[in-house]
Amino acid sequence: DADVTQTPRNRITKTGKRIMLECSQTKGHDRMYWYRQDPGLGLRLIYYSFDVKDINKGEISDGYSVSRQAQAKFSLSLESAIPNQTALYFCATSGSPNQPQHFGDGTRLSIL
Amino acid sequence: RKEVEQDPGPFNVPEGATVAFNCTYSNSASQSFFWYRQDCRKEPKLLMSVYSSGNEDGRFTAQLNRASQYISLLIRDSKLSDSATYLCVVNRDPWYGQNFVFGPGTRLSVLP
Repeated sequence: DADVTQTPRNRITKTGKRIMLECSQTKGHDRMYWYRQDPGLGLRLIYYSFDVKDINKGEISDGYSVSRQAQAKFSLSLESAIPNQTALYFCATSGSPNQPQHFGDGTRLSIL
Repeated sequence: RKEVEQDPGPFNVPEGATVAFNCTYSNSASQSFFWYRQDCRKEPKLLMSVYSSGNEDGRFTAQLNRASQYISLLIRDSKLSDSATYLCVVNRDPWYGQNFVFGPGTRLSVLP
């Protein structure tokens, strides 16, 4: 089983719909992150959390919200999806400082 | 200037070739360094951490020059399976929020 699991793997939806992407991990890491990646572009940080009660905005948080329900779970919501949020979304975790990140398989999201 | 910059690529090399990727970072407080590989539309996967003394893992060698704020990755005896985008990642400060900074990536195509 994957250490970092994202659901769904693929999603097609319409403009204006509310969407939730879920991430769960079995690595026991405190730090969790959400990124988006657009074709030909690098990873951009949306939100991150260092603890259950800790939520921080990344560089492109507008239009997104997150919830850290437990150490192992970090969900990303698009309250009212718009087409330019079509992208590949990755969840990542990291353990102690200076340790690398580990990524989930990604969620391909298309908003029509 | 971006905080982490990489060779723009793409690199097209024949099987068996040796190829080197370069990465520079601007934040002198950066603490730890990594190379990831990313296949098309897949998640980034950790290739190797980069240590101050340099380190090797099979055909892959990573070097760090803190004085010049420069990281390199050398791939010897390239295989077709090495074709991917290589991401340089810098952990600027493990106690700082947005601590992981990703370079834009360098694409490698190994040709038969």
